[in-house]
Amino acid sequence: EAGVAQSPRYKIIEKRQSVAFWCNPISGHATLYWYQQILGQGPKLLIQFQNNGVVDDSQLPKDRFSAERLKGVDSTLKIQPAKLEDSAVYLCASSLARDSPYEQYFGPGTRLTVT
Amino acid sequence: AQSVSQHNHHVILSEAASLELGCNYSYGGTVNLFWYVQYPGQHLQLLLKYFSGDPLVKGIKGFEAEFIKSKFSFNLRKPSVQWSDTAEYFCAVRPYYGNNRLAFGKGNQVVVIP
Repeated sequence: EAGVAQSPRYKIIEKRQSVAFWCNPISGHATLYWYQQILGQGPKLLIQFQNNGVVDDSQLPKDRFSAERLKGVDSTLKIQPAKLEDSAVYLCASSLARDSPYEQYFGPGTRLTVT
Repeated sequence: AQSVSQHNHHVILSEAASLELGCNYSYGGTVNLFWYVQYPGQHLQLLLKYFSGDPLVKGIKGFEAEFIKSKFSFNLRKPSVQWSDTAEYFCAVRPYYGNNRLAFGKGNQVVVIP
């Protein structure tokens, strides 16, 4: 079974530039998550989709971050404009459904460096 | 909102030593509990999970964890570590009801010396 795919794996941009990350979840997984992991900390949920609808974006900085999941499969996360504090690993995860007992499967992440 | 505490962020031990990583959470309701592991250069993967039933759960690679409800704890243990257990370990908690949000601790960086 193929895992969660993410691209790019690494990205370096200057502050105030924009950047986009792509995620392809495991086939058949209805729920998709984007996390931000800052160095030395655990992942923090940014946004959660159920199919193509947003179910939790309460921790997403909406003034600069946006995400979409068209057709309920692939998803993109965008940052515009980027700030230095956005330097982090952005993880995508998916699960069959939101609720117990379904576990989340994580992708390899995109490491973003903002200079 | 739930929060997760992991202490002793950096742990260094020799092969064959025993490992115990502490995890405490703050949330009053029913929770699901997880330990994830991230080996060097690899993505986060599930080590073990607790949903209900026997509070002592066994995971992959000889790891086990014990849920103690009265202490809001879910400590991870392995009796004898190997060099290949060098990794970062994250405890995570998800409320059974409500937002279903998975909250992670800051992680424990474990280095096993051959």
